Amino acid sequence: DAKTTQPTSMDCAEGRAANLPCNHSTISGNEYVYWYRQIHSQGPQYIIHGLKNNETNEMASLIITEDRKSSTLILPHATLRDTAVYYCILLNTGNQFYFGTGTSLTVIP
Amino acid sequence: GAVVSQHPSWVICKSGTSVKIECRSLDFQATTMFWYRQFPKQSLMLMATSNEGSKATYEQGVEKDKFLINHASLTLSTLTVTSAHPEDSSFYICSATTGAYEQYFGPGTRLTVT
Repeated sequence: DAKTTQPTSMDCAEGRAANLPCNHSTISGNEYVYWYRQIHSQGPQYIIHGLKNNETNEMASLIITEDRKSSTLILPHATLRDTAVYYCILLNTGNQFYFGTGTSLTVIP
Repeated sequence: GAVVSQHPSWVICKSGTSVKIECRSLDFQATTMFWYRQFPKQSLMLMATSNEGSKATYEQGVEKDKFLINHASLTLSTLTVTSAHPEDSSFYICSATTGAYEQYFGPGTRLTVT
């Protein structure tokens, strides 16, 4: 079962930073936080993951709170191509993903 | 990056027939593969976890006799939907992992049962 909660939808102006929050208050010590996104009728695309430190790659930054009960995905300069459903998922010890409902991000010109 | 392919990308079949979907890891060996189903405007639902050379583990509520999974090699897993019915129409997605905290998803297969 999904252990994360996310807002259903968000809008972001093109060129601005998109900040997508995720709550995972029941996270256990060895569970990683993963972010994927899915553009309509395609397979999910990996964005970033982390355990407890903040992470950054060419696509995004991941900020995890010190208590690890929540995290924020930051897309620094959103483009129209970033319009997608974003999933915050915890990876369990069985390497299984249980997807929640995700956040539908719409980037507005 | 690691690539996972699925074949076919879409398929239409008649009610009562069976259809096989292939999932391949193209440039890595996958110790574990996963199968998901996604209905329109819904999230992905994990159906089963498959390890090479062993029987798949199905999630609660997924009929193992209806959704046959074979993972005969480290680069290929197949999902066969047996005796398909219109309610089986869905988007089927596989993913693969080497076990090193990375999971790579295929592009999905759209199944329509008429």
